[in-house]
Parts: sequence; structure tokens; C-alpha cells
Amino acid sequence: KNQVEQSPQSLIILEGKNCTLQCNYTVSPFSNLRWYKQDTGRGPVSLTIMTFSENTKSNGRYTATLDADTKQSSLHITASQLSDSASYICVVSKGGGNKLTFGTGTQLKVEL
Amino acid sequence: DAEITQSPRHKITETGRQVTLACHQTWNHNNMFWYRQDLGHGLRLIHYSYGVQDTNKGEVSDGYSVSRSNTEDLPLTLESAASSQTSVYFCASSESGLEIGELFFGEGSRLTVL
Repeated sequence: KNQVEQSPQSLIILEGKNCTLQCNYTVSPFSNLRWYKQDTGRGPVSLTIMTFSENTKSNGRYTATLDADTKQSSLHITASQLSDSASYICVVSKGGGNKLTFGTGTQLKVEL
Repeated sequence: DAEITQSPRHKITETGRQVTLACHQTWNHNNMFWYRQDLGHGLRLIHYSYGVQDTNKGEVSDGYSVSRSNTEDLPLTLESAASSQTSVYFCASSESGLEIGELFFGEGSRLTVL
């Protein structure tokens, strides 16, 4: 069964600190992996999309990594801000299958 | 700026009633999608459309229907609302198909079925 597992489920960090969110997947064949940010009460917004050949991609203070061999991805947030408080969702696209599998998200809270 | 809007943002209805959630996008995207989001589940695809007059079932389509009469709109209809359909519904659009296309989501419609 194609799955996307995210860890941790939730995380609290102090403003200014860094953090790393994890995503493991079993989706096969693999096409691409995406990270979305979803603020409370809002729709998800795309942060990055990575294909098989890309192992690092940055978007401001967000850096995503991909290891297609081990089927793992991480999202690293640098110098966190209060506005980073949100759910971060990992999404894997199946090759040739026209299907996206969504993880359940990591709920991040950044505190003063 | 192009956008995708959903209405209503919040709705409470009773079991057995018909409900329609509206989705309107100004991106001029051919591809539009409806997802539901529930605690403990990732977003799940209900229906999708790759163009006018095209509609397709997703993984959780039972009890839902869509129609696509123009490029901008994909309304989602619950024929006879059930308590199991209490959820947050998101509409999305993309320029390309699901495999490679970046999805642009609406703000969501929270539906409560009593």
C-alpha cells in the first residue's frame, strides 16, 4: 500500500531555533515529492517540489532534502519565526499513476 | 491576482439534505480537484476534472458528485448529506495534471452534518 508517514506528529520550538521535520514514503514508482504549509483555517500552500534527481531544494528559510534510495525526505526550517507555526504536509506523487498521497502532517508551534 | 475561492466557508446542515459547495478559480486552469481533510487522515481526493464536461471519481467519491460546465467552476454536491461527510473540503486547481502539476488550494469549506 502506498503510504506517506510524517514525524513527529507535533513539535514545539522557541523562536529563532531550527527544526527538522521528517517524511518517509513507500509510494512506488516515485515521481516527485512536495512539501506544503497549511496555516490554521487556511488551504495548503506549496513550499517545494522535488523530482527524483533533486536532493536539495530551498525556499527562503525552508530547505527540503530527498533521498530517493531510502525513500526519505526532510524539511529543515532555519531561524524559526512565529509565522512558521502551521501544519507541514508531505505529499508524494506516483509515477504514471496520476495520484497524490498526502501525509497527515506535522503540527509545528513556534513560541516566544 | 489570480485566485481560487470557495463558498460557503462554513455550513451546518441536516442529515439527508442536499448541499452544494462552490469553487471558482481565475487561474484559467483546466484541472480542478476536490479534497476532504479529516483528523488522522491526509487529504483525500473526492472528484476531479481535467476540463469542461470532464469529471472523474477519486478515492472517496461515494455520496458526492461534480459537474464542469465552464473552466472556472467545479461545484461539489452532496446528494443526501450524512454525518460521515462532516469534514473540511478543499478545492484545488493546477495547470498540469496531478502527477506533476503544482496545486493551488482554496481556503476550505467547513461542513457540519447534524
